Amino acid sequence: DAGVTQSPTHLIKTRGQHVTLRCSPISGHKSVSWYQQVLGQGPQFIFQYYEKEERGRGNFPDRFSARQFPNYSSELNVNALLLGDSALYLCASSPWTGQKRNEQFFGPGTRLTVL
Amino acid sequence: DQQVKQNSPSLSVQEGRISILNCDYTNSMFDYFLWYKKYPAEGPTFLISISSIKDKNEDGRFTVFLNKSAKHLSLHIVPSQPGDSAVYFCAGTPSNTGNQFYFGTGTSLTVIP
Repeated sequence: DAGVTQSPTHLIKTRGQHVTLRCSPISGHKSVSWYQQVLGQGPQFIFQYYEKEERGRGNFPDRFSARQFPNYSSELNVNALLLGDSALYLCASSPWTGQKRNEQFFGPGTRLTVL
Repeated sequence: DQQVKQNSPSLSVQEGRISILNCDYTNSMFDYFLWYKKYPAEGPTFLISISSIKDKNEDGRFTVFLNKSAKHLSLHIVPSQPGDSAVYFCAGTPSNTGNQFYFGTGTSLTVIP
């Protein structure tokens, strides 16, 4: 079975631009979460989606938005990029229901560099 | 506000010995915890979980212990292998929020052959 996939792998943008990152969850998983990981820190929660609805939002500005599609894939959008948005963006999927409902599985991440 | 703390940035252990990685949390509502291993340029890999209804969970060489009164958990790896060298993150969540996990800053484990 394929794991969580993310695209693109790497991305270079300039300040003020916007970016869209994509994630496909593990087959059968209906929940997707997004995390930001800056160098030397642990992942920080940005959004969680389940059944196309936002179920949680971390402490990030409104420049960050996301959505989940009927096939459970997801997009993370960041507008008006700042230098501080440079980070590894991780997507995690989980089944949401069942015995292992809380176990999250991560994709390889998208490395975003803002110049 | 760091709700999950891993106070040891790094740890070195001889191959074959036990590795003990520690994690502390401040939010008493946390009731589910995960440990992840991360290699450079890869996403975190799920290792083991524990619910607050248990104080121990074991999976092969990996055992996680939870002390709720101390708000402390630890990951034991026995025996340690060179392939275990990676950064280890612990994460906790109050399960009534779904899967909104709070991560520690990680501990870099080096297993010396």
